[in-house]
Amino acid sequence: DTGVSQNPRHKITKRGQNVTFRCDPISEHNRLYWYRQTLGQGPEFLTYFQNEAQLEKSRLLSDRFSAERPKGSFSTLEIQRTEQGDSAMYLCASSASGGGRYEQYFGPGTRLTVT
Amino acid sequence: GENVEQHPSTLSVQEGDSAVIKCTYSDSASNYFPWYKQELGKGPQLIIDIRSNVGEKKDQRIAVTLNKTAKHFSLHITETQPEDSAVYFCAASRNYGQNFVFGPGTRLSVLP
Repeated sequence: DTGVSQNPRHKITKRGQNVTFRCDPISEHNRLYWYRQTLGQGPEFLTYFQNEAQLEKSRLLSDRFSAERPKGSFSTLEIQRTEQGDSAMYLCASSASGGGRYEQYFGPGTRLTVT
Repeated sequence: GENVEQHPSTLSVQEGDSAVIKCTYSDSASNYFPWYKQELGKGPQLIIDIRSNVGEKKDQRIAVTLNKTAKHFSLHITETQPEDSAVYFCAASRNYGQNFVFGPGTRLSVLP
């Protein structure tokens, strides 16, 4: 049973560049979540998908952020015109739905540094 | 919206002692409360969770208690070991397991 995987693990980019991260959830999970975690803080919810449908977005998800899950399997998170304030760990989690299962399992995260 | 507070922010205990971390939440509609352990450079790992229809849950050395009236829940770790050293996060969720609101974390150090 493979867990949630995220790529890349680290990304350094210059301010103004676009970046894209990928998340592969646990294979039988139909829900996928994106969170952002800054140093010394707990993760903050960004958005979540059930299958390919994006069901909820946080106010933290500005217009420069977009997430997709085109076939209900892997997901991508793109940040356009990066700013220094975007520097953070971006975490992906997945869960099953129904059957009384609510646990979210997290990947290792992608650490973004904007210089 | 939901707000989760967590105390203490840091906790040091001697190996073999117990550790208790407390969280309070603001939204009385929250019904699912997981706890995560995060080691340096890794993603959060689920260690235990509790639902609003249960007052206490135990898994070996780890237990969680929930007081819905007071809107607080606590993590108890007994017989602590050096490998328990990590940052622990509590979280709360409405709608059983959709977007979580996390507390700010507690850094636990277990001293040998």
